[in-house]
Amino acid sequence: GQNIDQPTEMTATEGAIVQINCTYQTSGFNGLFWYQQHAGEAPTFLSYNVLDGLEEKGRFSSFLSRSKGYSYLLLKELQMKDSASYLCAVRDSNYQLIWGAGTKLIIKP
Amino acid sequence: ETGVTQTPRHLVMGMTNKKSLKCEQHLGHNAMYWYKQSAKKPLELMFVYNFKEQTENNSVPSRFSPECPNSSHLFLHLHTLQPEDSALYLCASSQDASGGANEQFFGPGTRLTVL
Repeated sequence: GQNIDQPTEMTATEGAIVQINCTYQTSGFNGLFWYQQHAGEAPTFLSYNVLDGLEEKGRFSSFLSRSKGYSYLLLKELQMKDSASYLCAVRDSNYQLIWGAGTKLIIKP
Repeated sequence: ETGVTQTPRHLVMGMTNKKSLKCEQHLGHNAMYWYKQSAKKPLELMFVYNFKEQTENNSVPSRFSPECPNSSHLFLHLHTLQPEDSALYLCASSQDASGGANEQFFGPGTRLTVL
């Protein structure tokens, strides 16, 4: 079966750095996405990785290792508004997105 | 503003009711999706339309019936639902249903409660 694993919840301090991990086992791989979802709102796109390595976009970076079936989302200089759920999703061989259950990130002052 | 709108935002219905959810995208996209989001569970893909043709139906019960009259509009018709169908129903769109950095844009969702 297909599976995406990510921690259920993480806590971090304002101004700090946090890394949210995602491991996957899917039938084929055609890219990995990270989305942010604030409570009661729609998920919004953060990043896309299809090749190994690090993609940096401002305070957010996303890393991919296809051989290990592993990705992480790195958030720097955390702000209170970063409190949200972070969803990892992999596009499989049928070009369908397989989603993780999301990681709820709590930022404390 | 995501460019994808959904109505209604909240819906309470009995198990014998018939209702419809509406989604509209203003992004010029060719693919539209229905997802179900339950608490602490992964997003579940229900239906995919690519260029108005249904390409996926992930073993969704027949009490959910999609309709895509054109590339901008998507409906989900509901009838004789069960309490376990209570969830957030999200609509999304993308340029098309292929590869590449072809991210999906989501609407705000309809919070459905079945009594």
